[in-house]
Amino acid sequence: DIQMTQSPSSLAASVGDRVTITCRPSQNINNYLSWYQQKPGTAPKLLIYAASTLQSGVSSRFSGSGSGTNFTLTIAGLQPDDSAIYHCLQTFSIPYYTFGQGTKVEI
Amino acid sequence: EELLLESGGGVVQPGGSLRLSCAASGFTFNVFAMSWVRQAPGKALEWVSTISASDGRTYFADSVKGRFTISRDDSKNTVYLQMSSLRAEDTAVYYCVKNRIVGSATRFDPWGQGTQVTVSS
Repeated sequence: DIQMTQSPSSLAASVGDRVTITCRPSQNINNYLSWYQQKPGTAPKLLIYAASTLQSGVSSRFSGSGSGTNFTLTIAGLQPDDSAIYHCLQTFSIPYYTFGQGTKVEI
Repeated sequence: EELLLESGGGVVQPGGSLRLSCAASGFTFNVFAMSWVRQAPGKALEWVSTISASDGRTYFADSVKGRFTISRDDSKNTVYLQMSSLRAEDTAVYYCVKNRIVGSATRFDPWGQGTQVTVSS
């Protein structure tokens, strides 16, 4: 099984800051990675897929990068509405998908 | 608009059974694989099961293998998760998700609103 190590588990930042979340799979997954945002009491929402492709309708303040065993999600110009838990998901080992542990972003 | 609506959650005793349903609308249901993902309180998301579109093959996480089954009725645009021999550790919000499988662009979108399953005596 592919294990996903996501860090940090939580972070606190201020409005306007730039934050970076990291996801490291236990083996090479090329760019088979997507990112999701989950606000309290709601379902996750797709932000980015194929490591760096922004989902339609998602703010360009969100960006993803990386390949292989090191991926990052960056949020630029942090806004209060960005308070959420962010999850990474590997889709390399279809259909045995695995998520990261999640990162809680507080503003 | 693509929508997924889960139902069937509730409180069940350990060892009991429950069937979750997920009704889809807004897309051509029979060409997409569908999955269930769960989230225990304060825990990470966990992939539970997937059913393919073309041949109906099913896949399960080790944690539920042999206890859960997944099925779909394309005439009703609905996917089901039959859960049996339920344990306390199965307590979670269960989400239905559409799988868009396109190589590295594979992703889960959209997600249903989730249905709560509580296993407790």
